Amino acid sequence: TQLLEQSPQFLSIQEGENLTVYCNSSSVFSSLQWYRQEPGEGPVLLVTVVTGGEVKKLKRLTFQFGDARKDSSLHITAAQPGDTGLYLCAGVWGNYQLIWGAGTKLIIKP
Amino acid sequence: NAGVTQTPKFQVLKTGQSMTLQCAQDMNHNSMYWYRQDPGMGLRLIYYSASEGTTDKGEVPNGYNVSRLNKREFSLRLESAAPSQTSVYFCASSGQSGNTIYFGEGSWLTVV
Repeated sequence: TQLLEQSPQFLSIQEGENLTVYCNSSSVFSSLQWYRQEPGEGPVLLVTVVTGGEVKKLKRLTFQFGDARKDSSLHITAAQPGDTGLYLCAGVWGNYQLIWGAGTKLIIKP
Repeated sequence: NAGVTQTPKFQVLKTGQSMTLQCAQDMNHNSMYWYRQDPGMGLRLIYYSASEGTTDKGEVPNGYNVSRLNKREFSLRLESAAPSQTSVYFCASSGQSGNTIYFGEGSWLTVV
C-alpha cells in the first residue's frame, strides 16, 4: 500500500512568519502535485513538480521535489492571511494514479 | 466558466435511503472521478472513469455505484445509505494528459 505522509496536520502562525509543509513517502512518484482548498470549495492545483530536485516558485510559495522523487516540501515566506486554507499534496504514479496526503490545515492570524 | 458542476450541495438522508449525486463537466475531459473527503484522511478515490463507457473501482468503492452516462456526466449512487457514508463528496475531471484535476465544489452528505 502506498502512503503519502503529510506534516504537520495543523499549523497556526502569525502573519509575516515563514513555514514549511512536508510530504514524505517510501514510494517513487513520477510527479507530485500541490493543491490548496478553501472552505466550501474543491481543491485547486497550485503546482506540479516533475524532476528530482526541481524547485518551483509561485510568488511567496516555494515547492521542492526531492532528489529521489519520494518527498516534497512547500515553503511559504512571510505568510499572509490570504494563505489560510487546506494544503494537499498528491503523488502521481502509474497510469495517472494519485496518492493523496491527509492535508495541512494552515491558519495565518493577522 | 462552469467547469465541474455537482448537485446537490447538501443532503440529509436516513439510514437505508438511496440517492444519486450528479456531476457534469464542460471541459471535454476524458477522465472523471468521485472522491470522498473526511477529516484527517485526505481525499479517497471511490470510483473513476478513464473514458466514456468505462468505470473502475478506487480505494473505497463499497456501498457505491457509478454511471458514466456520457462524456460530460458521471453520477454516484448510494443504494442503501449508512452513517459511515457521511462525508463530503467531490466530483473531478481531467484531460488527456491527466496532469491537472479539476474539482467541483463538493456535496455535503449526512446520513442519520
